[in-house]
Amino acid sequence: KQEVTQIPAALSVPEGENLVLNCSFTDSAIYNLQWFRQDPGKGLTSLLLIQSSQREQTSGRLNASLDKSSGRSTLYIAASQPGDSATYLCAAGPPGNTPLVFGKGTRLSVIA
Amino acid sequence: NAGVTQTPKFRVLKTGQSMTLLCAQDMNHEYMYWYRQDPGMGLRLIHYSVGEGTTAKGEVPDGYNVSRLKKQNFLLGLESAAPSQTSVYFCASSLRGGGHGYTFGSGTRLTVV
Repeated sequence: KQEVTQIPAALSVPEGENLVLNCSFTDSAIYNLQWFRQDPGKGLTSLLLIQSSQREQTSGRLNASLDKSSGRSTLYIAASQPGDSATYLCAAGPPGNTPLVFGKGTRLSVIA
Repeated sequence: NAGVTQTPKFRVLKTGQSMTLLCAQDMNHEYMYWYRQDPGMGLRLIHYSVGEGTTAKGEVPDGYNVSRLKKQNFLLGLESAAPSQTSVYFCASSLRGGGHGYTFGSGTRLTVV
């Protein structure tokens, strides 16, 4: 059974810092790895999707990397802003029709 | 383009009452999912569907039933609500499997007293 772990559970940083969020998964037989953002009281919004054959994906100030062999993914946020404050969840996409397996998320606070 | 719409947004139930949560998507997606989100527990899959007329159990299916009679709708039923079912429920859909293109609804906050 796939298990996804995110560390730390919460993180507080001053505005402007570069930061890294970590995600680990137990089964390397994944189809893809995704990062989502969730604002308080809202649903999840997809940020980045890395296919199993890829090493990283970038969108603006966000960069996600994937190392299947070690079962790890990282989300790098450059020059953090207060608007980046949210919970970030990673999810492993198993092969076949099986749904995504989510981590518990990292709650990020960027202090102005 | 509404995406994924969940109704109702909030509900308070008494223990033992029944209710149905509705999820509707207008993107012609084949796959639909119901998750619950609890503090410290993350998102846990309740049931999912890979197409009209199909359903499958997820990680925490007990106490819930689902139906997918129409492609665009996925219903989650609670036959006899329990306080342990107090949670925020999220519906999602995707065009196909493999974790691609998940679109989430805004959630239903359910309290069972």
